[in-house]
Amino acid sequence: GDSVTQMEGPVTLSEEAFLTINCTYTATGYPSLFWYVQYPGEGLQLLLKATKADDKGSNKGFEATYRKETTSFHLEKGSVQVSDSAVYFCALSDGNSGYSTLTFGKGTMLLVSP
Amino acid sequence: DTGVSQDPRHKITKRGQNVTFRCDPISEHNRLYWYRQTLGQGPEFLTYFQNEAQLEKSRLLSDRFSAERPKGSFSTLEIQRTEQGDSAMYLCASNKDRGSADTQYFGPGTRLTVL
Repeated sequence: GDSVTQMEGPVTLSEEAFLTINCTYTATGYPSLFWYVQYPGEGLQLLLKATKADDKGSNKGFEATYRKETTSFHLEKGSVQVSDSAVYFCALSDGNSGYSTLTFGKGTMLLVSP
Repeated sequence: DTGVSQDPRHKITKRGQNVTFRCDPISEHNRLYWYRQTLGQGPEFLTYFQNEAQLEKSRLLSDRFSAERPKGSFSTLEIQRTEQGDSAMYLCASNKDRGSADTQYFGPGTRLTVL
């Protein structure tokens, strides 16, 4: 079945540092890929997405590129802020079933200090 | 859009009791999903509705769980004879009928604690 593997956290960075959170996936079809973010005390919010190979999703300075050859969708940001502290979830939606349910990774906590 | 809402936000119950949660999706969203998230894990799919029809159920959804979406708008998730292992955050999400690329919008969740 489909699966998503993320690097374990917490990832601890100083403000303005470069961020990478690794995500790899296994899927039977041609999935769409997503990064969701969960800020403390809040619900899941879509951060960015990519729907086909070589697409780059971007939002709020975050980027991720859909790499079919390495089955990866790594999240990057050039300069993190304290306000980026949150849990980040990589997810895929495999349209083969027609239902588009999401399969999530376990999440990676990011802690940014001033 | 007012967003996806869920009620209650928190529920504490004793083992063996029944609980019911409600989800109000974004208006005009045909698809509604329930997920369960335990501590330190990502959300796991439970069940999916397209309009009022329940089209898919995960193996995680034991026979103590039942979900409905009677008029194709709000949905309820009921857990009968709760067990301590049911303690989790229950998330609801919705989107329009546009295929796998369409973003799912999540509610704030209902946190269930079974004592």
